[in-house]
Amino acid sequence: EAQVTQNPRYLITVTGKKLTVTCSQNMNHEYMSWYRQDPGLGLRQIYYSMNVEVTDKGDVPEGYKVSRKEKRNFPLILESPSPNQTSLYFCASSLIQGMTYNSPLHFGNGTRLTVT
Amino acid sequence: AQTVTQSQPEMSVQEAETVTLSCTYDTSESNYYLFWYKQPPSRQMILVIRQEAYKQQNATENRFSVNFQKAAKSFSLKISDSQLGDTAMYFCAFMKANAGKSTFGDGTTLTVKP
Repeated sequence: EAQVTQNPRYLITVTGKKLTVTCSQNMNHEYMSWYRQDPGLGLRQIYYSMNVEVTDKGDVPEGYKVSRKEKRNFPLILESPSPNQTSLYFCASSLIQGMTYNSPLHFGNGTRLTVT
Repeated sequence: AQTVTQSQPEMSVQEAETVTLSCTYDTSESNYYLFWYKQPPSRQMILVIRQEAYKQQNATENRFSVNFQKAAKSFSLKISDSQLGDTAMYFCAFMKANAGKSTFGDGTTLTVKP
């Protein structure tokens, strides 16, 4: 089954304790992206990757890191989490072909992160 | 930078009736995609419909259709014969072709009443 898998689904942590949210897709998609969802603010893009070893900032990258060492994986790293990073996080992937084609985003099931 | 505006934070509709959700966007790009995604209480993000900017014909998917007005930068979603399972938050999204940035609206919470 084609899917984007995020882990964990729920995470409660304390301020300053490094954490990683994993994201993996099995569709051989070039494009992967991380979003955070907060009430009234929709989804805001954190980082994205157009291909292996190619990453770029979205609209809200502060406090986050990513890496894309393999095509299928795109982990989100919070080196020193703070309470304002409490949010619902989504990973997504998409097929990009040539200069003009983007498939729709395929989303993971989300990770609810609470930082106390 | 692109912006996407959904001006209706909440809407409701009676079962079997038709409802239209509005979305406007601002961009200087000529080649892009627009999407509507649905997020039910399960919080899963589900694609509803997709529109390529270069296509003049409005996209349709069963009970879902869009009114895409490129010059006006408007992309509304019409849901016909509303069903209880359509109750969800709906997000309008913009993505430039072959580029990484994507922009979502703040969402419209739709409630279908029996």
